[in-house]
Formats: sequence, structure tokens, C-alpha cells
Amino acid sequence: EAGVAQSPRYKIIEKRQSVAFWCNPISGHATLYWYQQILGQGPKLLIQFQNNGVVDDSQLPKDRFSAERLKGVDSTLKIQPAKLEDSAVYLCASSGPGNEQFFGPGTRLTVL
Amino acid sequence: SQELEQSPQSLIVQEGKNLTINCTSSKTLYGLYWYKQKYGEGLIFLMMLQKGGEEKSHEKITAKLDEKKQQSSLHITASQPSHAGIYLCGADPSGSARQLTFGSGTQLTVLP
Repeated sequence: EAGVAQSPRYKIIEKRQSVAFWCNPISGHATLYWYQQILGQGPKLLIQFQNNGVVDDSQLPKDRFSAERLKGVDSTLKIQPAKLEDSAVYLCASSGPGNEQFFGPGTRLTVL
Repeated sequence: SQELEQSPQSLIVQEGKNLTINCTSSKTLYGLYWYKQKYGEGLIFLMMLQKGGEEKSHEKITAKLDEKKQQSSLHITASQPSHAGIYLCGADPSGSARQLTFGSGTQLTVLP
């Protein structure tokens, strides 16, 4: 069974630029999560999707972050414009009928 | 909101030694998850505990959820260099939404 795929693995941008991350969950998993992990901290949930609907986006900085999951499968997370404090690893996870979340390898973003 | 405190923050042990990592919650735990993370990579699921007093083992790793369901411990017996990484505990705040709140992690180094 293929795991959660994410791309790119690494991205370096300058502040005020835009960036987008892509996630392909495990086939058949209805729930998809985006987490932000700042160095030295645990992951923090940004947004949770159930199929193509948003379950919780209360911790998503909506003035600069957006996410979509149009067909209930792949998802993209966008930052526009990026700030220095957005430097982090962005993790995508998915879950199926059970409660276990499966994580992708993450995208490491560096904002200069 | 639920907060998870992990201790110690970092741990250096000699190969072959036993070790314990603790995770303490500010609220009752409805589900407690242990993950392992290699630097710069995604999270690997280790174990999930739901019932007070529950104990699970996988290879040389044992996790336990205390009776009052506010603390969990992860014990590694006869540590090996392959056990090195960051151990994260995650909790489901409500028991229904399948969201996870994570601790800040314990960095484990195993010296050969």
C-alpha cells in the first residue's frame, strides 16, 4: 500500500513570495490533515478535511494561508505572502476508518 | 485546550540501556498516540492507547496509559542505535473529532 505522498520535499523562498505544497493521501482515506511543525516543537494542526469539506480550520492563518481538496483526494496548501516565521516543516496526514493517522515525509520550507 | 508535556526533552543513552519517556496531559486522555520521527522526515506510528491501565508492546518498545488517563510512558528495553530519533506523544482532545494535539517531543540519542 502506497503511503502519503508530498511534494516538494524542500523549498526555499524569499519573504513575501508565494508557495504551494501538494499532498496525495493513502487511497480511500476520507480524512486529510495539514500540520505545521516548527523546529523543536510538535506538529500543530492547521486544517482538517473530511472528503472535500473542511472540518476544522480554526488554527489556519487565513489572511495568508489557504488550502483546498477539490475532489476529495489530493490537497494543496498555499502561503501568500510568506513571512519569516512560516519557516517550518509542513506535514500532511490521512486517516481511514480507524483513528490512526498516517503521515507523509513533509515539506521543509525555508523563508529568507 | 489540552496541553501535553513530554519529559525529558532530550536523552542520551549507551546502547543496551533501558529508558523511559513520559507524556503528561493537562486533561483526561481519550486516546494517546506515540509516534517516532527521524530528523527532517514524517512521523511513524508506534502505538495507540485508549483505556486506562492499557499497555501495548511492539518489539522492544512498551507504552502504558495510567489508570487516571492523564499520563503515558514509553519504555525502550535494551536500546539500539536504530531507536534514535524524536518521540512524540499525541492526544485526541475530545475523543470524537480524531484531531491530535502533540507534545514537543523527546530527542533520543543512542551511543554505540
